[in-house]
Amino acid sequence: EDQVTQSPEALRLQEGESSSLNCSYTVSGLRGLFWYRQDPGKGPEFLFTLYSAGEEKEKERLKATLTKKESFLHITAPKPEDSATYLCAVPGISGSARQLTFGSGTQLTVLP
Amino acid sequence: GAVVSQHPSWVICKSGTSVKIECRSLDFQATTMFWYRQFPKQSLMLMATSNEGSKATYEQGVEKDKFLINHASLTLSTLTVTSAHPEDSSFYICSAKADHEQYFGPGTRLTVT
Repeated sequence: EDQVTQSPEALRLQEGESSSLNCSYTVSGLRGLFWYRQDPGKGPEFLFTLYSAGEEKEKERLKATLTKKESFLHITAPKPEDSATYLCAVPGISGSARQLTFGSGTQLTVLP
Repeated sequence: GAVVSQHPSWVICKSGTSVKIECRSLDFQATTMFWYRQFPKQSLMLMATSNEGSKATYEQGVEKDKFLINHASLTLSTLTVTSAHPEDSSFYICSAKADHEQYFGPGTRLTVT
């Protein structure tokens, strides 16, 4: 069954303590994997799209990587303002290729 | 990046009344918009796909007569929650696709009393 799974559900880090978030997916014919950041009470904010295994993208302290089975969101030397829920999503799991299916998210808390 | 707006950002209504939520793509045209619902501490669940000039496509389990979707132009889609009940209280988020990315609105918090 095609699906998207994120781990861990929650992660608490000290400021400056680097770590990685995982997004595992099973889908035939990946048409992209999306990472979003969501702050409480707000809509998701687009971060990255990855299309092929081996691809990497960076933005400030975040780097997203992709393999044939999973994607990682690496956070280097995080700051308290990086605290948020990070969501990954894959199109085409349910319905049309345009529709995104979201993982359950990882709630990241960075302590000062 | 592309900007998607929603109005209102929050609304409180009485049980049995209807509420309309607007979703606009501000700097691009979107032939397809999506409506999601998110309950506390849960991820986004797709409710329906809104297609400009045609009927929306609803996900399984979503009542199309209760959640009316209109996509009258390339920049505006509306979601009307009809005869709202407390169980409809949720965070409703729209999104629109620009190029290969999907951008989300800020969400609308609906509370039905």
